[in-house]
Amino acid sequence: EVQLVESGGGLVQPGGSLRLSCAASGFSFSRYHMTWVRQIPGKGLEWVSSIGDNSEYTYYADSVRGRFTISRDDAKKSAYLQMNNLRAGDTALYYCVAAAVGGTVFDYWGQGMVVTVSS
Amino acid sequence: EIVLTQSPATLSVSPGERATLSCRASQSINNNLAWYIQKPGQAPRLLIYGSTARATGIPARFSGAGSETEFTLTISSLQSEDFGVYYCQQYDDWPPYTFGQGTKLEIK
Repeated sequence: EVQLVESGGGLVQPGGSLRLSCAASGFSFSRYHMTWVRQIPGKGLEWVSSIGDNSEYTYYADSVRGRFTISRDDAKKSAYLQMNNLRAGDTALYYCVAAAVGGTVFDYWGQGMVVTVSS
Repeated sequence: EIVLTQSPATLSVSPGERATLSCRASQSINNNLAWYIQKPGQAPRLLIYGSTARATGIPARFSGAGSETEFTLTISSLQSEDFGVYYCQQYDDWPPYTFGQGTKLEIK
């Protein structure tokens, strides 16, 4: 069974930092591109960042570039999102997503981790 | 950035009836479009990719069509488990990947 389990979310003050982790199981993690997608409660989906297999590329949405860093550890079958200088607008449910097929179609989704940025 | 516009925002359909959802792209995306369903309290789930290909385990009542800028998702005979919010996503020109704003399919 495919599983993606996020951790590391919570409440943080504006300007603070959090590191989201995503533990994967049930599929060949190293062959998949990993992505983070966020969703403000009651709103739509927003792509945040992606990393290729073998970390061949990293991409970021304009809204987070320079503040967020995506990484992966294939030995641990895990992906990460380091979030610095957090803003109120970053408050959302963050999904860890695995994509095969060249990294473009989002095959597997975690259940999401809430990040709340508030003073 | 490619903008995807979904219509209608809300669609009310009775179980057993057909539902057709639309997604329009601001420029040609060839057939590089996926559809997802999100049920309340759950993560999105992949339904369709490549405009027409069903993902693993997706029943045949779901069918996708279209290319270039106009796409549709049709559910031939709605079941209770089909109600939720549907999103389209383009992967022709990325980054960024972009999603439509969603169509809520509700029970009539």
